Amino acid sequence: QKEVEQNSGPLSVPEGAIASLNCTYSDRVSQSFFWYRQYSGKSPELIMSIYSNGDKEDGRFTAQLNKASQYVSLLIRDSQPSDSATYLCAETSGGSYIPTFGRGTSLIVHP
Amino acid sequence: NAGVMQNPRHLVRRRGQEARLRCSPMKGHSHVYWYRQLPEEGLKFMVYLQKENIIDESGMPKERFSAEFPKEGPSILRIQQVVRGDSAAYFCASSPPVGGGEKLFFGSGTQLSVL
Repeated sequence: QKEVEQNSGPLSVPEGAIASLNCTYSDRVSQSFFWYRQYSGKSPELIMSIYSNGDKEDGRFTAQLNKASQYVSLLIRDSQPSDSATYLCAETSGGSYIPTFGRGTSLIVHP
Repeated sequence: NAGVMQNPRHLVRRRGQEARLRCSPMKGHSHVYWYRQLPEEGLKFMVYLQKENIIDESGMPKERFSAEFPKEGPSILRIQQVVRGDSAAYFCASSPPVGGGEKLFFGSGTQLSVL
């Protein structure tokens, strides 16, 4: 059974710092990876997707993928209190259209 | 351009009653997913549907749970004879026909409370 592992946190960082969120996955044929942000009491919202090894940058967000180590991360630069949320990592394997989600990491950015 | 619409937002049922959760996908989307989320837990896949067709229901409990996505109207997740353990947030998501589950767009969820 596929597993996506995340540290539940909370991860607490000061405003302006870099927040680093990590995720490991068990399925070696996983191909697509996603980061969703979920504010308390709200629905998940897709913020990043990554498919190839290396880094992908979008504004203050950078996703990093290392398929050999089965590891994907999300960096948030210049963290803001509004970034405080739970971040969910998800993956899909080749041929499957069903994302498997991790339990999420709670991020707290304090002023 | 309306997003994924779920209703009701909150649903209270007594043990043994039936719960019906509705989901209308985004315009142009033909795939619907249902996930369940318990407090402090991640999203657990339940079922994946296209119009008039269940593609994958491997995450659905074998009893009391069913789902449909008719040709006309919203997708329905039905829970018969609810028990307290069914209390959770149920999220529906949709995706466009091309790329399948590559990117999901979630509705606001239905919070089911079983008394």
